[in-house]
Amino acid sequence: DTAVSQTPKYLVTQMGNDKSIKCEQNLGHDTMYWYKQDSKKFLKIMFSYNNKELIINETVPNRFSPKSPDKAHLNLHINSLELGDSAVYFCASSQEGPKETQYFGPGTRLLVL
Amino acid sequence: GEDVEQSLFLSVREGDSSVINCTYTDSSSTYLYWYKQEPGAGLQLLTYIFSNMDMKQDQRLTVLLNKKDKHLSLRIADTQTGDSAIYFCADQGRGGGNKLTFGTGTQLKVEL
Repeated sequence: DTAVSQTPKYLVTQMGNDKSIKCEQNLGHDTMYWYKQDSKKFLKIMFSYNNKELIINETVPNRFSPKSPDKAHLNLHINSLELGDSAVYFCASSQEGPKETQYFGPGTRLLVL
Repeated sequence: GEDVEQSLFLSVREGDSSVINCTYTDSSSTYLYWYKQEPGAGLQLLTYIFSNMDMKQDQRLTVLLNKKDKHLSLRIADTQTGDSAIYFCADQGRGGGNKLTFGTGTQLKVEL
């Protein structure tokens, strides 16, 4: 069974569209995250949620809105997509607290044309 | 803010040892991690070290931490072609939310 899963795996869309990426974890973790990996492979955290509550919100345009319907799911909705949003988006999850390993999903490759 | 730096590329011959280096700036780091990313795949945790340790060994992997110099290294013994990947070090500071700050990644290429 996949521990952290993301859908879709690939997403190609036009500028200006609105799209969502979904993430689910079956590990019973309390905390979930979204990371963005750009074309140079640089990885940066965007958001983290603990028990459905927003904990970290890095400097991310407000076109990006995470939504956590329950602690096993953290979805990322992106409005008015721009070319610069093209990247790989990784979801991760962990238990709460330091030393708790973050487990990553396979990534969603977003291409904005 | 925190900064984590790595060299971008490393090329080794199969069977040799690889040493991937990382420097960080956050003096409040609690844990430091090494992740591996194979082409087109997600991140796989390889190992981690608590900031009060200076060495950790796990099979072919040895992690060395010099806290004074804020320098972390990952040594892979008997490097194989399957080790070819991008290796990221990541720093977990004391701030809330278990935030990981990733390095720029080191592309390891293993040649026959």
